Amino acid sequence: GAGVSQSPSNKVTEKGKDVELRCDPISGHTALYWYRQSLGQGLEFLIYFQGNSAPDKSGLPSDRFSAERTGGSVSTLTIQRTQQEDSAVYLCASSSSGRAGMNEQFFGPGTRLTVL
Amino acid sequence: GDSVTQMEGPVTLSEEACLTINCTYTATGYPSLFWYVQYPGEGLQLLLKATKADDKGSNKGFEATYRKETTSFHLEKGSVQVSDSAVYFCALSGSGGGADGLTFGKGTHLIIQP
Repeated sequence: GAGVSQSPSNKVTEKGKDVELRCDPISGHTALYWYRQSLGQGLEFLIYFQGNSAPDKSGLPSDRFSAERTGGSVSTLTIQRTQQEDSAVYLCASSSSGRAGMNEQFFGPGTRLTVL
Repeated sequence: GDSVTQMEGPVTLSEEACLTINCTYTATGYPSLFWYVQYPGEGLQLLLKATKADDKGSNKGFEATYRKETTSFHLEKGSVQVSDSAVYFCALSGSGGGADGLTFGKGTHLIIQP
């Protein structure tokens, strides 16, 4: 079956522009996670959804970052007024429940964001 | 907060050598522990996991044992292959028992030479 997909695979934008990154989780997976992978910081947890709600937004680095999920499926991560330090690979993962310790998270290929 | 520390490498070994990648963690409560692997040009994938103390996770010849007394989850393999070249990430789940994201180490780049 299809895995987690993300689009676009690459995004180059100018400083100050807004960007939207999309994640399509595995069908039927109720939990969805966003992470950021950068050279300096490694892999950082950003936000988690259970269904359409986000009980844990603790990892969002600033108020320029927001995310939503509709229909318990597709999720969009939005970065407003992008800065050069936002350049990273943004990874999405999904799992069959929200118990991170109980169920494997399946990762998408990521979106590489470059802010010029 | 929770944290994971692992050797960053790169670690370069010859084929058929023994491998150990150290991983230690700091967490309150009782986390689950994971090793994820990222092969060149591919996405992250789960290699093995252990959900409670003294559990041993194993897959593809790799093993790791959850040691609560030393807060460690070292990855081992008796004889590595060129195809094992990848970046390996140690991670833990939230120790509070609720649903949350994974906390990752910074990754260890492993290079196996023929």
